[in-house]
Parts: sequence; C-alpha cells; structure tokens
Amino acid sequence: QKEVEQNSGPLSVPEGAIASLNCTYSDRGSQSFFWYRQYSGKSPELIMSIYSNGDKEDGRFTAQLNKASQYVSLLIRDSQPSDSATYLCAVNGETGGFKTIFGAGTRLFVKA
Amino acid sequence: ETGVTQTPRHLVMGMTNKKSLKCEQHLGHNAMYWYKQSAKKPLELMFVYSLEERVENNSVPSRFSPECPNSSHLFLHLHTLQPEDSALYLCASSQDYGAGGFTEAFFGQGTRLTVV
Repeated sequence: QKEVEQNSGPLSVPEGAIASLNCTYSDRGSQSFFWYRQYSGKSPELIMSIYSNGDKEDGRFTAQLNKASQYVSLLIRDSQPSDSATYLCAVNGETGGFKTIFGAGTRLFVKA
Repeated sequence: ETGVTQTPRHLVMGMTNKKSLKCEQHLGHNAMYWYKQSAKKPLELMFVYSLEERVENNSVPSRFSPECPNSSHLFLHLHTLQPEDSALYLCASSQDYGAGGFTEAFFGQGTRLTVV
C-alpha cells in the first residue's frame, strides 16, 4: 500500500463547478496534512494545511480531514480554468520520523 | 526576492561532469530539504538539514552530495551522474523540522537537470 495515495486523474470539471480531490494515507500517526498546487513546469505551492478533524475553509478552498478514516480532501468551489494544475497531498507525522510524504498528485482540468 | 531561490534553473551535464545546485532561502527558516521529482512519480525526499546538521539521508546514491554551510544556503554537488538521474530537483525550507515545529514547506522553482 502506498503511504499517500491519490487518484492520478485527470479530473475534468466545468468552469464554476466544485472540484473534489481526495487523498488517503496509511500512517495512523500522521498529524499534519497539506495540499500543494503545482502548475506544469513549476514548483509546488502550498495552498492549505490542516491539523485537526473537520473542515477548514480559505476562500474558494476547503480542506476536510477525517483521521479515523485516514482521509483528507480538498474542495475547490467555483472552479476556474486557472485552477487547472496538479494537486499534491502531503502528510507528516511522528511515525514517519516527521518526514513529509507526498502523494503522486491528481491532475485537475477545468474546462472553460 | 522570492522566499526560496534555486540556481541554475536548467542544467545539462555529461555523465563525467561535476556540477553543483544552489539553494538560498530568505525566510529565516531552520530546516532545508532536497527533493527529486521524476515524471509521474511522487516527490522523493533526498536530504534534510535542520540547523545546518543533516538529519535525513534517504538512501541516496553517493554521486549526490549535499552541503549546508549555514541555515540559509544548501548545495547539492553532483558527480558521475546517470541518465536516470535526469529530473526536477527541488529545494524547500520550513520553519523547523520535527515534533512541535511547523512542517509547512516552501519550495524553490527547481532545477531541471538533464544528464546526457
């Protein structure tokens, strides 16, 4: 089982729709969870971090964490073509020696 | 000046060459990282430095040699690389590393390395 698993996509949504990106992780001791956005040919950019169960909202982005299910998601409301990118889920915790483990990413394509 | 700066942005080198990648962070962070990103693979952590001491070395071949002269600078020295080492090499920094520290990492723009 991969330590951090994401559907590679591509996930295609129409402009204005909600994009839902999902991530599961294997280490129950994980404590910190991050979503990064990476445009083609660019470096990852941190867009959300979440540390406790529940929802965290920042503008059009909402991160959701469920530690019991070992599941973290990112919702993007009112998706825009400029949101088209690869979204990387990253997980960090004591069991892993505080190494941040990245998923392979989900490609999102927002159609105008 | 951006938070984390990497040079060069692109590098083509032969298998017998020696080159170095440079990373500089202007965020006052205490931890710095080298990651490798190959096509369609997750980011792979190579090295971690915390307060200028190496704390992680993830079974990286010795042809990659890191150096951290101070908390703001990180180098990756390359020698006798193989074509399969061609990838995007990313430097990152975070406030701290380990328990109780912020682990949000900020990345540089990367060096696109091609080994011929």
